[in-house]
Amino acid sequence: DQQVKQNSPSLSVQEGRISILNCDYTNSMFDYFLWYKKYPAEGPTFLISISSIKDKNEDGRFTVFLNKSAKHLSLHIVPSQPGDSAVYFCAASARGNQFYFGTGTSLTVIP
Amino acid sequence: EAQVTQNPRYLITVTGKKLTVTCSQNMNHEYMSWYRQDPGLGLRQIYYSMNVEVTDKGDVPEGYKVSRKEKRNFPLILESPSPNQTSLYFCASSLGQPNPLHFGNGTRLTVT
Repeated sequence: DQQVKQNSPSLSVQEGRISILNCDYTNSMFDYFLWYKKYPAEGPTFLISISSIKDKNEDGRFTVFLNKSAKHLSLHIVPSQPGDSAVYFCAASARGNQFYFGTGTSLTVIP
Repeated sequence: EAQVTQNPRYLITVTGKKLTVTCSQNMNHEYMSWYRQDPGLGLRQIYYSMNVEVTDKGDVPEGYKVSRKEKRNFPLILESPSPNQTSLYFCASSLGQPNPLHFGNGTRLTVT
């Protein structure tokens, strides 16, 4: 059973607007959450992470929000740029032994 | 340059012919793992290793073997590949939580 879920397979956003990617998880033992970006023919690259002791982490245009009570994670990209077009995976782990990934959301930023 | 290197990038083989996909990292990471990516299923963990000579099964270990004889290398072995192992494979490494995984560029395997 999928412990990390990304229910939106795709998302289209106009350049300059906000992109919001969502992720839900089921395991309350998860204590470390990450977002990865993947271009075709490349491996996933790390974007941003958050520990379960926080509810928000920012890095430039990227902000991750964690709602532990709802078991929900989101990634905000502001402003969105055409180079952000890629597949985004969320991931979670409990004490770093195993990482569980969602199925990915394909983001298209329209110029 | 810090990186995870997988070889080969592309591999076509036939059912039952043993193969090895190599993975090497130059970051002195203790943690290494293998994933497969399939349409609609995301990335699923096959095996992981917390350190030399320590390996554990992930979610989909059937049909795969790994070894961790030295820190930098973590090969994935398919003793008798079958068509359902046709997939895109990624190796990754990490210093350990709370540090992120660093991925290789992937190996696309086709088993006919």
